[in-house]
Amino acid sequence: DAKTTQPNSMESNEEEPVHLPCNHSTISGTDYIHWYRQLPSQGPEYVIHGLTSNVNNRMASLAIAEDRKSSTLILHRATLRDAAVYYCILINAGNMLTFGGGTRLMVKP
Amino acid sequence: NAGVMQNPRHLVRRRGQEARLRCSPMKGHSHVYWYRQLPEEGLKFMVYLQKENIIDESGMPKERFSAEFPKEGPSILRIQQVVRGDSAAYFCASSLGVHTGELFFGEGSRLTVL
Repeated sequence: DAKTTQPNSMESNEEEPVHLPCNHSTISGTDYIHWYRQLPSQGPEYVIHGLTSNVNNRMASLAIAEDRKSSTLILHRATLRDAAVYYCILINAGNMLTFGGGTRLMVKP
Repeated sequence: NAGVMQNPRHLVRRRGQEARLRCSPMKGHSHVYWYRQLPEEGLKFMVYLQKENIIDESGMPKERFSAEFPKEGPSILRIQQVVRGDSAAYFCASSLGVHTGELFFGEGSRLTVL
């Protein structure tokens, strides 16, 4: 699977938007971009995924660059409960999810 | 609760003992995946199983570790003769079929080897 690069950590204030970047310059045409998050002492939780178009769901939005070499997970209003490690993962159907280091998001009240 | 259920949530073993971790997938899911997370590290894939079959065990240590997913009952990850380095959180995930990226994870089983 192609590699992703994310900042080790980011900080946000509560109730402000958060933009979590991910670079994936070696992405292939059939790779989907998935985001998971892991809250402290819990298992990973699926957040959102996309292929080419921007995506929105109840948890977040995913903005995908036109050349697909980068993407951004957008939390519209961060809450304390959003403090977690966020993983950006490229995946082809049937391949195993490979988790990198992710971005540790800290939310300040 | 129809989520992925793992038990025990916490397990303490002495060196040389056996550890058995169980995972019941979401209702209707027939694909199970095990991951291991060492302290302060990321998740590493271990094994992927369908009912009665091991599909991919490329991440499983060659010795002491085994996994099964019988026709009836939960998937079991078995670690024989545990060592301190086996201390970790073990997560199970499931999917309905061959996944397209969305896996449902359990809350994990935390193994401590004394």
